[in-house]
Amino acid sequence: AQSVAQPEDQVNVAEGNPLTVKCTYSVSGNPYLFWYVQYPNRGLQFLLKYITGDNLVKGSYGFEAEFNKSQTSFHLKKPSALVSDSALYFCAVNSYRSSGSARQLTFGSGTQLTVLP
Amino acid sequence: GAGVSQSPSNKVTEKGKDVELRCDPISGHTALYWYRQSLGQGLEFLIYFQGNSAPDKSGLPSDRFSAERTGGSVSTLTIQRTQQEDSAVYLCASTSGGSSYEQYFGPGTRLTVT
Repeated sequence: AQSVAQPEDQVNVAEGNPLTVKCTYSVSGNPYLFWYVQYPNRGLQFLLKYITGDNLVKGSYGFEAEFNKSQTSFHLKKPSALVSDSALYFCAVNSYRSSGSARQLTFGSGTQLTVLP
Repeated sequence: GAGVSQSPSNKVTEKGKDVELRCDPISGHTALYWYRQSLGQGLEFLIYFQGNSAPDKSGLPSDRFSAERTGGSVSTLTIQRTQQEDSAVYLCASTSGGSSYEQYFGPGTRLTVT
């Protein structure tokens, strides 16, 4: 079974400061890790993903995430937060299946990010 | 291009009534997923369609829930004899590839059972 933990329900940060949203995972085999963002009354939007290669991946809107295999973490980061970054962030994990076909993502419970002006 | 669309955007129904929720995936996407998002909670997987293969129904919470995908495109999620605990946002997603591919989500249908 695969699982994702987002230990913080809420993260508050001042505009212009760096932000981190934490995520740890558990999966059999090599993980495929994703971050999604959800704005109010909207569906989820893909931000970035780690499949293989460089541990630091860059995504949309200036976000990046670092894959750490030893700590089984995939924290989302941004050097300088904007008020418009305020939203609900979800970490998700999938894994390679021998068939190569898609399986459902397993999501964390979400972290509400609030960037204060 | 067009994204994933869902209808209706909002649905209010009385307890015990049946409802149908529709998802129109991105053209050419072979895999389609239904998730449920309850207030203050994460996303719960419901069902997954991949091409012509039998759907993975392992996430359906009860036999009141069913889904079909016609012609490998549009999908309908049906909830029979709705209960108040079915109130949630139902999200549909599609993808063109396997496990390493990101899923594209629709805006969701907010279902309220009174």
